Amino acid sequence: GAVVSQHPSWVICKSGTSVKIECRSLDFQATTMFWYRQFPKQSLMLMATSNEGSKATYEQGVEKDKFLINHASLTLSTLTVTSAHPEDSSFYICSARDSSNNEQFFGPGTRLTVL
Amino acid sequence: GESVGLHLPTLSVQEGDNSIINCAYSNSASDYFIWYKQESGKGPQFIIDIRSNMDKRQGQRVTVLLNKTVKHLSLQIAATQPGDSAVYFCAENMGNFNKFYFGSGTKLNVKP
Repeated sequence: GAVVSQHPSWVICKSGTSVKIECRSLDFQATTMFWYRQFPKQSLMLMATSNEGSKATYEQGVEKDKFLINHASLTLSTLTVTSAHPEDSSFYICSARDSSNNEQFFGPGTRLTVL
Repeated sequence: GESVGLHLPTLSVQEGDNSIINCAYSNSASDYFIWYKQESGKGPQFIIDIRSNMDKRQGQRVTVLLNKTVKHLSLQIAATQPGDSAVYFCAENMGNFNKFYFGSGTKLNVKP
């Protein structure tokens, strides 16, 4: 089946620094990818829709200047958490929609810990 | 004391029994639904889907039932196995750019 990868799988950073997370579709093209955040023992919350070649669209309450999204190619979207704080510590998960058939596949997630 | 939202509802079943996991969705306009399984520290894994023009769909050992009248989904797992232990989420698609919104989740605990 289709594979979506995320890098890194986990990251620890100091408060105030920025962290970039990559989401790649390995064997299909994805004009649309989605970024989710999941706090412990909670559900996945959709943060934004990443569109190749255009600006991302953010869900209500998600700060676009804090969570920068770049979807520069058909197989790669990046999420940058800027000026990270401990409350940004979470599990960040991406999904990618296969442009050929609209099926959606999830990545394995990235665990971010901000000290 | 416990805080709201910090504990998932848990369903405990004996190995070999059938499991039923329920989900209430929010938008009557949603037309596509997916059940996902999430193991600890991993991303969601697709289990089964159903479109709003159906009320039942069967897979291998799993059945999804959709009741649009009361906006309710259920996932039935037959002959539950220890490997089924995970958190299960339903997700609804409101037909808007294929965005999925997830329900709150249920933790399934299978006792050997």
